[in-house]
Amino acid sequence: AQSVSQHNHHVILSEAASLELGCNYSYGGTVNLFWYVQYPGQHLQLLLKYFSGDPLVKGIKGFEAEFIKSKFSFNLRKPSVQWSDTAEYFCAVNVDNQGGKLIFGQGTELSVKP
Amino acid sequence: DTAVSQTPKYLVTQMGNDKSIKCEQNLGHDTMYWYKQDSKKFLKIMFSYNNKELIINETVPNRFSPKSPDKAHLNLHINSLELGDSAVYFCASSPYFSDSPRGYTFGSGTRLTVV
Repeated sequence: AQSVSQHNHHVILSEAASLELGCNYSYGGTVNLFWYVQYPGQHLQLLLKYFSGDPLVKGIKGFEAEFIKSKFSFNLRKPSVQWSDTAEYFCAVNVDNQGGKLIFGQGTELSVKP
Repeated sequence: DTAVSQTPKYLVTQMGNDKSIKCEQNLGHDTMYWYKQDSKKFLKIMFSYNNKELIINETVPNRFSPKSPDKAHLNLHINSLELGDSAVYFCASSPYFSDSPRGYTFGSGTRLTVV
């Protein structure tokens, strides 16, 4: 069965530090990849998505992610985090034979210290 | 106007009760979903409806029954609630089932607590 793995359960950073959150998936076919953010007590919001083309994807709020097909990875990065980036981050995958279904990773809690 | 709205936002109920959560979207989307987020924040799809037709039904207990009276509404009814049903339930919608992930919009969630 397809699965998504996020390596870091909880990441604590100081403001202005660089961020990289790992995401790996297990599926050999075509995938669409997503990063969602969930601020405390709120719904999920789309940060960025990859379907095809340039493997380096830029999203909102200065986030970017790189799809490395050979590593089945889609890591999220931000050069300089802010306190307002404190949230839960979810990687998700949609596989080509399952319509609109999203398979989520376990989530990574990011805490940014001011 | 909220694009995907869920009611209620919070729901506290006793074991054994029956409860419903309602979801409405005003985006004109064809496809709607229910996702469950457990206490460890793990999100998993439960159901998907495309234009009132059930498309995805994951391994969810029969106590959970979705109902879609029209493509703008997808309700979730839960019978004989158990402690393990405590979670946040998210409704979502997308334009077309075949191309759905491109346009997912999530609701704000319903936090269900079973005591």
